[in-house]
Amino acid sequence: KAGVTQTPRYLIKTRGQQVTLSCSPISGHRSVSWYQQTPGQGLQFLFEYFSETQRNKGNFPGRFSGRQFSNSRSEMNVSTLELGDSALYLCASSLDGLGYGYTFGSGTRLTVV
Amino acid sequence: AQSVTQLDSQVPVFEEAPVELRCNYSSSVSVYLFWYVQYPNQGLQLLLKYLSGSTLVKGINGFEAEFNKSQTSFHLRKPSVHISDTAEYFCAVSAYSGNTGKLIFGQGTTLQVKP
Repeated sequence: KAGVTQTPRYLIKTRGQQVTLSCSPISGHRSVSWYQQTPGQGLQFLFEYFSETQRNKGNFPGRFSGRQFSNSRSEMNVSTLELGDSALYLCASSLDGLGYGYTFGSGTRLTVV
Repeated sequence: AQSVTQLDSQVPVFEEAPVELRCNYSSSVSVYLFWYVQYPNQGLQLLLKYLSGSTLVKGINGFEAEFNKSQTSFHLRKPSVHISDTAEYFCAVSAYSGNTGKLIFGQGTTLQVKP
């Protein structure tokens, strides 16, 4: 079966702009989580969506937001981009988000200039 | 709250030698445990997971890990490594309940396999 698909793979944006990243989970998976990966902070949890509802949230500013659609596809949005937002953004899908297994996508590499 | 400590940031090893990547965790509740591998410019691939049952878990690519509850450890081992095992390895935990969808990761261990 198809894995987790993230688009686009690479993005270059300018400070102050906004960006939207997309994640299509494995068919049948209802939970989608997002992570930010940077060399300094490592892998940090952004938020998790299940059945179109945000169930859990990490410690990121309100500029980071997300949503999930009825087909479980998810988007995350970052507004007013800062240089420090440059990172690899990963999404992970699972059946229920309770630990039975998380499958990650290949990520979107965002560079803010 | 949970936390994960990977005790070595880099582990150099010669090809065909055994390797152990160490992981300790802290949690006030029961957790699931995972090891992921990340190759350059790629996402994370699940190597193995401990949910319950036997404390010795076997994963893909010849890796295995042992859950030790008393020492709160989940060390990853492979008896004979290959050049292709060169990658970044992450230990992670998630709580049994609550904190849905959230994995807490260690800082990663870079495994460098030398010919």
